[in-house]
Amino acid sequence: QVQLQESGPGLVKPSETLSLTCTVSGDSMDSYYWNWIRQPPGKGLEWIGYVYYSGSTNYNPSLKSRVTMSVDTSKNQFSLKVTSMTAADTAVYYCARGFIEEQFAVFYFDYWGQGTLVSVSS
Amino acid sequence: DIVMTQIPLSLPVTPGEPASISCTSSQSLFDSDDASTYLDWYLQKPGQSPQLLIHTLFYRASGVPDRFSGSGSGTEFTLKISRVEAEDVGVYFCMQRIEFPITFGQGTRLEIK
Repeated sequence: QVQLQESGPGLVKPSETLSLTCTVSGDSMDSYYWNWIRQPPGKGLEWIGYVYYSGSTNYNPSLKSRVTMSVDTSKNQFSLKVTSMTAADTAVYYCARGFIEEQFAVFYFDYWGQGTLVSVSS
Repeated sequence: DIVMTQIPLSLPVTPGEPASISCTSSQSLFDSDDASTYLDWYLQKPGQSPQLLIHTLFYRASGVPDRFSGSGSGTEFTLKISRVEAEDVGVYFCMQRIEFPITFGQGTRLEIK
């Protein structure tokens, strides 16, 4: 059974950088797209971006200037960094696996982590 | 960005009754290259992360009961539950992935009457 687990600080100060890691178990990271998605309290979902197992990335333009994603397949982990955090970045951050079936062109999210709440406050 | 709009935002349903959620996209989600419609449905049960229900318009994810079905075309989509059960409570999201950035609907909260 594939499992994803987010880890990182629950509290970040304004203007600081958030660093989160997602650890994948139960399957190889190869051939999948590894995503970050966030959900502000009581609100909807926002896709942050993905890192492919090979290291290529695609970020949401709304966050692109502040986001960096990377992958370490030897550790079965991928990570997210968001700089210049503000209160508007307070959210539950989810990692999710993007899977492409052979007959389709784009991945969907088949496994999600449980999410980690990140609060931005001094 | 493609804007996804769901109706209704709140849906009280009596167990055993059907339910329907609509989702509209600001652009067509049909890809003529592979004749696929890149619209998915997710359910976020209380206190849990979202789980995939339906992908690519009408394909049920593994383990999803057949009382859930997806339909639609172009920019208009529907998720139907033929007979609602207590375990179906939560927030339902539609999501488009025909172009980046991937975007979600605002969510429909299904509750049991």
